[in-house]
Amino acid sequence: NAGVTQTPKFQVLKTGQSMTLQCAQDMNHEYMSWYRQDPGMGLRLIHYSVGAGITDQGEVPNGYNVSRSTTEDFPLRLLSAAPSQTSVYFCASTGAGGTYNEQFFGPGTRLTVL
Amino acid sequence: GDSVTQMEGPVTLSEEAFLTINCTYTATGYPSLFWYVQYPGEGLQLLLKATKADDKGSNKGFEATYRKETTSFHLEKGSVQVSDSAVYFCALLNYGGSQGNLIFGKGTKLSVKP
Repeated sequence: NAGVTQTPKFQVLKTGQSMTLQCAQDMNHEYMSWYRQDPGMGLRLIHYSVGAGITDQGEVPNGYNVSRSTTEDFPLRLLSAAPSQTSVYFCASTGAGGTYNEQFFGPGTRLTVL
Repeated sequence: GDSVTQMEGPVTLSEEAFLTINCTYTATGYPSLFWYVQYPGEGLQLLLKATKADDKGSNKGFEATYRKETTSFHLEKGSVQVSDSAVYFCALLNYGGSQGNLIFGKGTKLSVKP
């Protein structure tokens, strides 16, 4: 099991550029989420998905799009990058069922927008 | 909505000192509670968890007890080591209130000096 994988690890963009952060999991988890981590802010939820074909907004969705065409993949798209989107991005997945559900995190993508 | 409040850092201790990081929560229903740890330059790792009132989670010498009467989940360790230097996040998972996504505190940075 590779768990949750994210690519790239690092990325530098210019303002206005677009890009896609990739996330994949091989645990057959239904729930997947994207968080951003900023100093002093903890982790904040951007978008999440409860299954293939279903997505919803989290706390800070503006400027980001997601889709969930398969159970395994949950890409995050920045349509027009802004310096305020400079952050570390974490993807996570959660299994369903049972008395609790642990979230497994990817290693993160460090994004800088100039 | 659901929320987590944890003590602000940074916390600086000498090796073998006693550690407490306070965490309180607000949630409807019966959330599961977690402590995650983030070592420098890495993603989040689950440290310990508790799924119901009076449960005690423990791992690597760390402990936390789910106290529903005080809505708290304080992290403790009797004797910290330099290798415990990291950022610690308290979090809750509440399917009823947060659609299966973790709600994080802002994190507490711990530095342990030799």
